[in-house]
Amino acid sequence: DADVTQTPRNRITKTGKRIMLECSQTKGHDRMYWYRQDPGLGLRLIYYSFDVKDINKGEISDGYSVSRQAQAKFSLSLESAIPNQTALYFCATSDSTYEQYFGPGTRLTVT
Amino acid sequence: EDQVTQSPEALRLQEGESSSLNCSYTVSGLRGLFWYRQDPGKGPEFLFTLYSAGEEKEKERLKATLTKKESFLHITAPKPEDSATYLCAAASGSARQLTFGSGTQLTVLP
Repeated sequence: DADVTQTPRNRITKTGKRIMLECSQTKGHDRMYWYRQDPGLGLRLIYYSFDVKDINKGEISDGYSVSRQAQAKFSLSLESAIPNQTALYFCATSDSTYEQYFGPGTRLTVT
Repeated sequence: EDQVTQSPEALRLQEGESSSLNCSYTVSGLRGLFWYRQDPGKGPEFLFTLYSAGEEKEKERLKATLTKKESFLHITAPKPEDSATYLCAAASGSARQLTFGSGTQLTVLP
């Protein structure tokens, strides 16, 4: 089984809908991250969490929220989806070495 | 502000034609320099971590090196299956996250 899993893998939703992307990991890492990737813009950090009680905004947090339900679970929510949130979303985990391990990604399309 | 710049943006090689990818970084107190490989539509796959100038790491046809301002990913006798986007990222002493470069898209032609 994969160390970092993301669900769903693909999602099409309509403008204004609330959507949640989920991430689970079995690597035993304390640190978890959410990124989005757009063509030509690279990876941009949305939120990160160093433990269940430590959640921080990244570069582009507006329009997103997160929940760290347990050490192994980190969810990303779009409260009211808009078309420019169409992107590839990645979850990642790391220990204190900063080596990050990524999930397979969720392709989100907002129409 | 931490910055990571990769060049070239895209590189096309013939199979067997060795080359290097560049990653220039400006961070305060480097904690680590990381290389990843990303295939289209997939998550980045961790390749190497370098911690100090002069350090080198190798894996199959790939060798990563580090100086005080740059890192290079050398690809020796590449094969078509080496085609991917290669990302580098840096962790600084003050930041709590990685700063990623925008990647080099490598295409190896048979």
